[in-house]
Amino acid sequence: EIVLTQSPATLSLSPGGSATLSCRATESLTVTYLAWYQQKPGQAPRLLIYGTSNRATGIPDRFSGSGSGTDFTLTISRLEPEDFAVYYCQYYGDSPLYTFGQGTKVEI
Amino acid sequence: EVQLAQSGAEVKKPGESLKISCNGSRNSFSSYWIGWVRQMPGRGLEWMGSIFPGDSDTTYSPSVQGHVTISADESTSVAYLQWGSLKASDSAMYYCARQRTGSYAPDSFDIWGPGTWVTVSS
Repeated sequence: EIVLTQSPATLSLSPGGSATLSCRATESLTVTYLAWYQQKPGQAPRLLIYGTSNRATGIPDRFSGSGSGTDFTLTISRLEPEDFAVYYCQYYGDSPLYTFGQGTKVEI
Repeated sequence: EVQLAQSGAEVKKPGESLKISCNGSRNSFSSYWIGWVRQMPGRGLEWMGSIFPGDSDTTYSPSVQGHVTISADESTSVAYLQWGSLKASDSAMYYCARQRTGSYAPDSFDIWGPGTWVTVSS
C-alpha cells in the first residue's frame, strides 16, 4: 500500500510570498495519477492539479505542480489571502484506489 | 454546470442504520465514477469507496470494506452510502465527489458535494 507523507505540516507565510509543499510517496508513482487539492474551513476540497502538473479548470497559474518518482511538489507563488488553506496530495490508481496525504496547512 | 447535492446532517445512535445520498446531474451521472470521502473532525481526507453508476461496479477501501455499502440508482442519478450498524467512530463529514473524466480508469475528483455531517452518539 502506497503512503503519501506531506511536509511540512504547517507553513507560515505572508501574502505575496511563495509556498513549496512536498508530497513524498513510499514507492515510485505514475505521474499521471498525482493530484493536489485545496480545502478551506467549512468547505469541500477543490481540485487544483491533476496528473502532477495540469491545472484544473479555473485554477490560476500561480499554482503549479511538479515531480516524479517518489517526490512531488505543489508551488504557490504570489500568495493571495484566499490561498491560506489546507492542501492535500492524492494518488489514484493503486490499491486502495485513492490515497491522500495527511495535509499541509498554509497559514499567515 | 455539474453539481452534486447531498442529503442533510444526521444524528444517530450507535447500532442504528443510516443511508445518505448524493444527487448528480442526469446527463452525466452514469458515465463517471462517484467516490465517497470521509473527513473526521479536524482530520484529513480518507477515500472510502467508489461506484460507477452505469454498471454499479463498486470498489472499497480495505479500511471500510464490510462496514459500509455504496450503491447508486442510475434512473434517478443518486448515489448512496449506507451503514447497517453505526459506531461512534463513524462521526464525520462525508463528501461525495465525481471523477474528473468519464473514464473507467481512476482519475482525480473535480466535482465535490457540500458534504453530509454524521454524528453518532449515545
